[in-house]
Amino acid sequence: NAGVTQTPKFQVLKTGQSMTLQCAQDMNHNSMYWYRQDPGMGLRLIYYSASEGTTDKGEVPNGYNVSRLNKREFSLRLESAAPSQTSVYFCASSARALGSNQPQHFGDGTRLSIL
Amino acid sequence: GESVGLHLPTLSVQEGDNSIINCAYSNSASDYFIWYKQESGKGPQFIIDIRSNMDKRQGQRVTVLLNKTVKHLSLQIAATQPGDSAVYFCAENIRGTYKYIFGTGTRLKVLA
Repeated sequence: NAGVTQTPKFQVLKTGQSMTLQCAQDMNHNSMYWYRQDPGMGLRLIYYSASEGTTDKGEVPNGYNVSRLNKREFSLRLESAAPSQTSVYFCASSARALGSNQPQHFGDGTRLSIL
Repeated sequence: GESVGLHLPTLSVQEGDNSIINCAYSNSASDYFIWYKQESGKGPQFIIDIRSNMDKRQGQRVTVLLNKTVKHLSLQIAATQPGDSAVYFCAENIRGTYKYIFGTGTRLKVLA
């Protein structure tokens, strides 16, 4: 019972490099989310996908792009990494869409350091 | 592993005692609330949720209380165990949106 799987678990990049963080869920959930977690701050939403084929900006989208590849997979891309993007990134999914009062289920995160 | 929060408030309790963790939520339009547990190096784990039409909800060893008048949420853990040591944070969902607001959390330390 994997739930939400994120890869890689750790990554170190140099400023200006690009990379894609992968996320897949096996719970047949409609909605998927990308958050970043920084010390002393609550989780902040980067992008979300309410359903397959749709994506929308969250609270802190600048410097990121996303792709909802299919119902299972939602990737996050950093086109030109900056030190300010050093963070722990979490992917989450939830069963239903807006207003349905469903909890989000999280992966174990990707720890990303930008030098 | 990394620090979820370097300067989180910490609650220390003796093993076997009850723990109460508090959260002040921010938006009066929020109608759904969740408590998460996060262990070091792991993602947030769902514990219990409550809708705004309820004041109290109980799970296994956990109870969530909601006071909408003062926008306050609490998590009670009965007979706290060493495995309960983690960071706990609340989340609120603003009605009609995908937006969840997450608290910064409280670190629970269980003393043997």
